[in-house]
Amino acid sequence: AQSVTQPDIHITVSEGASLELRCNYSYGATPYLFWYVQSPGQGLQLLLKYFSGDTLVQGIKGFEAEFKRSQSSFNLRKPSVHWSDAAEYFCAVGAGTGRRALTFGSGTRLQVQP
Amino acid sequence: DGGITQSPKYLFRKEGQNVTLSCEQNLNHDAMYWYRQDPGQGLRLIYYSQIVNDFQKGDIAEGYSVSREKKESFPLTVTSAQKNPTAFYLCASTPDRDKYQPQHFGDGTRLSIL
Repeated sequence: AQSVTQPDIHITVSEGASLELRCNYSYGATPYLFWYVQSPGQGLQLLLKYFSGDTLVQGIKGFEAEFKRSQSSFNLRKPSVHWSDAAEYFCAVGAGTGRRALTFGSGTRLQVQP
Repeated sequence: DGGITQSPKYLFRKEGQNVTLSCEQNLNHDAMYWYRQDPGQGLRLIYYSQIVNDFQKGDIAEGYSVSREKKESFPLTVTSAQKNPTAFYLCASTPDRDKYQPQHFGDGTRLSIL
């Protein structure tokens, strides 16, 4: 079965600084990859997805992610963080046959300092 | 606008009581999912349904039950057998039952024990 690891539980960055959130997956073939964002008490909103093709994908709110097959990673990046980016971020994987539910990482909580 | 509506937003359960969480979607999606979210654990799959009148257990189905009598509705019952029901519950849907796709989420129901 596939698994997803988000090594950083909590990250704090200053407003205007760059951001990289890490995501590693365990699966033999190339999975379908997603990043979601969650504000407190809310559902999850899709930031971006990777299915195939160009390994650098652009998403909403200025986010991008790069798929690196050799590292089994799909890290999320943003060049300049805004205070409104403070939230929890989840990486998710879809892989294998059968059910089409996603497997989620445990999340990274982002705090933005003024 | 189309979307997923979860109700109620907050729910309290007494010992020995069953409670039902509502999930309705007007997106005409085939597949629907229930996840449980606990702090630091990401989202875990409880049940999913890929078509009306059919549903499957996820990874943590014990103490929960579901039904899918209508395409737009996928209610979750938390039974008295679920000994630790306090969590944030999220419902999601995808258009097609046989593809990996981004999941659309509701805003969640927070369940607490009285």
